[in-house]
Amino acid sequence: GAGVSQSPSNKVTEKGKDVELRCDPISGHTALYWYRQSLGQGLEFLIYFQGNSAPDKSGLPSDRFSAERTGGSVSTLTIQRTQQEDSAVYLCASSLLIGVDYEQYFGPGTRLTVT
Amino acid sequence: AQTVTQSQPEMSVQEAETVTLSCTYDTSESDYYLFWYKQPPSRQMILVIRQEAYKQQNATENRFSVNFQKAAKSFSLKISDSQLGDAAMYFCAYSPWSTSGTYKYIFGTGTRLKVLA
Repeated sequence: GAGVSQSPSNKVTEKGKDVELRCDPISGHTALYWYRQSLGQGLEFLIYFQGNSAPDKSGLPSDRFSAERTGGSVSTLTIQRTQQEDSAVYLCASSLLIGVDYEQYFGPGTRLTVT
Repeated sequence: AQTVTQSQPEMSVQEAETVTLSCTYDTSESDYYLFWYKQPPSRQMILVIRQEAYKQQNATENRFSVNFQKAAKSFSLKISDSQLGDAAMYFCAYSPWSTSGTYKYIFGTGTRLKVLA
């Protein structure tokens, strides 16, 4: 079956512009995660959606970052008024929350470059 | 706070040899999961192996095995008979066990593995 997909693969934007990054999780997966991977760093948790529960936004670095998940499927991460320090690879993952299946399946990421 | 530390930014191994990647973590939880993920140049993270903290037996997956030392909070990855395709960034990750299911992972900063022909 299809894995997690993300679009666009690469995005170059000017400082101050807004960007939207999209994630399509694996069909049937109830949990969806966004991570940020800055150059030379590990993955930094941003936000987590689980079914219809309120999302865990504890990792969002500022109020310029927001995310939504429509219909329990596709998710969009929005960064407003982008800054150069927002340049990173943004990774999305999904997992199936039945029993003790904890594996997160990752997408290929979106490389964001803010000039 | 829960943290994951990978102290080796880069490692090299000769093809067909064995290499061990180190990972330590800090937590006050007794139940949790540990993972090793591989990230090739394609950027797609691939699960290599996982370990449930309540299991005494070290996890193995073909050429990949772990040395899980719960008391020492250590979780190293051993790659045997290294292959050129093993070259990648390797990330160690921790996840607390939650009654609601899975939760956010905490990742280390990664170890870049080079495999020499």
